[in-house]
Amino acid sequence: GAGVSQSPRYKVAKRGQDVALRCDPISGHVSLFWYQQALGQGPEFLTYFQNEAQLDKSGLPSDRFFAERPEGSVSTLKIQRTQQEDSAVYLCASADGQETQYFGPGTRLLVL
Amino acid sequence: GQNIDQPTEMTATEGAIVQINCTYQTSGFNGLFWYQQHAGEAPTFLSYNVLDGLEEKGRFSSFLSRSKGYSYLLLKELQMKDSASYLCAVRDRSGNKLVFGAGTILRVKS
Repeated sequence: GAGVSQSPRYKVAKRGQDVALRCDPISGHVSLFWYQQALGQGPEFLTYFQNEAQLDKSGLPSDRFFAERPEGSVSTLKIQRTQQEDSAVYLCASADGQETQYFGPGTRLLVL
Repeated sequence: GQNIDQPTEMTATEGAIVQINCTYQTSGFNGLFWYQQHAGEAPTFLSYNVLDGLEEKGRFSSFLSRSKGYSYLLLKELQMKDSASYLCAVRDRSGNKLVFGAGTILRVKS
């Protein structure tokens, strides 16, 4: 079956621009996670959804970061007024409840 | 809070065995995961331990000691394609998010 997919794979944004990153989880997975991975580091948790409910957004670094999953499947991570420090790989993962998380290939964001 | 430590880099020879260690200090524990990540790709699930002991899966084994806050990933019969970053991650008490170490870059040489 299809794994987790993310789009775009690469995004270059000018500082101050808004960006939207999309995640298509594995079909039927109720849990969806967003992580941010800086170069040479492990992924860092941003936010967690169970179906359409955002149960944990403790990792979002600022109020410029916003995530939604309105119908409990596809999710979008939006970053407003991007800054250079937002440059990173944004990984999405999905899981069947509290089971193993399966990751997508990520979106590599570069803010100039 | 949670702190995950693992070596930054390791080098090993094709055909050999390598052990990658991970120590953790957590305010809660609900399982430990190992992922493999090739450069520019998604982390790929390797193993999961929630009870003490060794879990074996083909060429890969993972060990956990909860009392020591310690795990290792053992890779046998190393192949060149095993060159990658290996990420240790602890699932927090809520059972939701994973807290990752910085990863260990393994270089396999011929």
